[in-house]
Amino acid sequence: EVQLVESGGGLVQPGGSLRLSCAASGFTFSSYDMHWVRQATGKGLEWVSAIGTAGDTYYPGSVKGRFTISRENAKNSLYLQMNSLRAGDTAVYYCARSSADRGNAFDIWGQGTMVTVSS
Amino acid sequence: QSALTQPPSASGSPGQSVTISCTGTSSDVGGYNYVSWYQQHPGKAPKLMIYEVSKRPSGVPDRFSGSKSGNTASLTVSGLQAEDEADYYCSSYAGSNNFDVVFGGGTKLTVL
Repeated sequence: EVQLVESGGGLVQPGGSLRLSCAASGFTFSSYDMHWVRQATGKGLEWVSAIGTAGDTYYPGSVKGRFTISRENAKNSLYLQMNSLRAGDTAVYYCARSSADRGNAFDIWGQGTMVTVSS
Repeated sequence: QSALTQPPSASGSPGQSVTISCTGTSSDVGGYNYVSWYQQHPGKAPKLMIYEVSKRPSGVPDRFSGSKSGNTASLTVSGLQAEDEADYYCSSYAGSNNFDVVFGGGTKLTVL
């Protein structure tokens, strides 16, 4: 079964750091571009970061310089290092796979992990 | 980049058809055929329903269809069923890098 399972969410103070993990199974992880997408409670989806199969990384302006996406193909794992966290970063963070043969749409999603930034 | 514009809500009775719009600009929706639609039930992860404007992944009922005209994409759900009640999000490639993606604000579809 193709599956993504996130972990590492929790409560962190403003200015703090947190590292999210995503374990992939059921597909050749190294062959796919991977992403983090977040969703604040009651709000829409926001693309947070991407990493290509060659390790190239991309971020929107809202997190650039604070978040770092990485991958460890030998462990079928994706990571998101989040630093200088703000209240506005509070959200469910989803790990997602994109598929080139589906126009880079996000075809597999994890169940999400909650990150709360609060004092 | 700005989010794509979707109506906050839509509704229809069982068996009817409903269309949800997604308006962007020539820099995203209008500039590329990389529009996707996602369905999200409460407390669940999003699910891909449409990619590349009008293509359906295997397993998605053919009641779901997508189209695009200019800077506006649309998702049509025909033969509405109770299980179609969910939030729907559009997304588009926005071109500033290999993975620049912008989402719509979401539309709550209610089956009356």
